[in-house]
Amino acid sequence: EAQVTQNPRYLITVTGKKLTVTCSQNMNHEYMSWYRQDPGLGLRQIYYSMNVEVTDKGDVPEGYKVSRKEKRNFPLILESPSPNQTSLYFCASSTFRGGYQNTGELFFGEGSRLTVL
Amino acid sequence: GENVEQHPSTLSVQEGDSAVIKCTYSDSASNYFPWYKQELGKRPQLIIDIRSNVGEKKDQRIAVTLNKTAKHFSLHITETQPEDSAVYFCAASIIQGAQKLVFGQGTRLTINP
Repeated sequence: EAQVTQNPRYLITVTGKKLTVTCSQNMNHEYMSWYRQDPGLGLRQIYYSMNVEVTDKGDVPEGYKVSRKEKRNFPLILESPSPNQTSLYFCASSTFRGGYQNTGELFFGEGSRLTVL
Repeated sequence: GENVEQHPSTLSVQEGDSAVIKCTYSDSASNYFPWYKQELGKRPQLIIDIRSNVGEKKDQRIAVTLNKTAKHFSLHITETQPEDSAVYFCAASIIQGAQKLVFGQGTRLTINP
């Protein structure tokens, strides 16, 4: 079954304790991205990756890191979480490869709800 | 950068009636406009999209219209059903080398029986 898998789905942590949210897709997509969803703010892009070892900042990258060492995996790293990073996080992948002819539907994971105390 | 405004934030309609959600965007270079539906506790899923070279697109009970001059686009749902209750997100993107979708704030649509 084609899917994007995120772990953990729920996490409560404390300020400053490093954590990683994993994301894996089995659709051989080149494009992957992380979003955070907050009430009244919609979905905001944190980082995205066009291919292995190619990553770039989205609209709200502060406080986050990513890596893309393998095509299928795109982990989100919070080196020193703070309460303002409490949010619902979505990983997504897409068939997008660049260029006007290929728009690329985003396939989202089930989301990871993070609470930072 | 691109900014997308979505209205209304909440919408309640009677079952069988139509619902319209509107979005405006700021960057005239944007050329791809998808709509995503997120049911309660679920992930967002693409329901329809439109490119800037098209003014309208339909798929059964849903349609999207685009006015490039005014920089706004709308989602129309006709003959609404209870399963249409969800949060709907519009988005805008410039398809050019990288995909940076900018989403609107979302509209919570409730269909009343």
